[in-house]
Amino acid sequence: DTEVTQTPKHLVMGMTNKKSLKCEQHMGHRAMYWYKQKAKKPPELMFVYSYEKLSINESVPSRFSPECPNSSLLNLHLHALQPEDSALYLCASSQDLGAGFGEKLFFGSGTQLSVL
Amino acid sequence: GESVGLHLPTLSVQEGDNSIINCAYSNSASDYFIWYKQESGKGPQFIIDIRSNMDKRQGQRVTVLLNKTVKHLSLQIAATQPGDSAVYFCAENRAQAGTALIFGKGTTLSVSS
Repeated sequence: DTEVTQTPKHLVMGMTNKKSLKCEQHMGHRAMYWYKQKAKKPPELMFVYSYEKLSINESVPSRFSPECPNSSLLNLHLHALQPEDSALYLCASSQDLGAGFGEKLFFGSGTQLSVL
Repeated sequence: GESVGLHLPTLSVQEGDNSIINCAYSNSASDYFIWYKQESGKGPQFIIDIRSNMDKRQGQRVTVLLNKTVKHLSLQIAATQPGDSAVYFCAENRAQAGTALIFGKGTTLSVSS
């Protein structure tokens, strides 16, 4: 199984809503990532968890709150988002984080988020 | 800041042609590079990777070339097919614990039959 599964595939939310994005992998990977991708732009790194601990936070606003309940699951909690936060949110996993010569990431299909 | 970039935002080719997609990087500490393909509505899909101790690596119909002297990376696709139409990103990483993959700007490849 080389899949990273993200739910939901699409999400529309208002600026006062609270919602969560979910990601799951069963490849035994110990690093999991959230990337944000605007239309026609490259993915931008948001957060990285390594062995269930937050290792990298790329100065993401606190209205985005990541959580890693166990080594297979990664959540992104959303609260009081702005319309400019509308984007494709991609989850990825890798065997480890930056060990040796870098790591190949496996991506999910993403959650297309629209904030109204 | 330093980043990985691509020379051309779009590339149009005929089916059967060979395609070359280029990428320039600026960080000499980068030592691991990946090419990803992203189709509409999907996440990036791994194509091929190369480490800095190599200058060429071949896969099925794809070849990646690395020129560390001029900090240049290219992806060659042989006998391009309509199914190859997608956005192609190069990405870099460094042999340093606690770092993650950083993506370049992307090239949209359009293949006409």
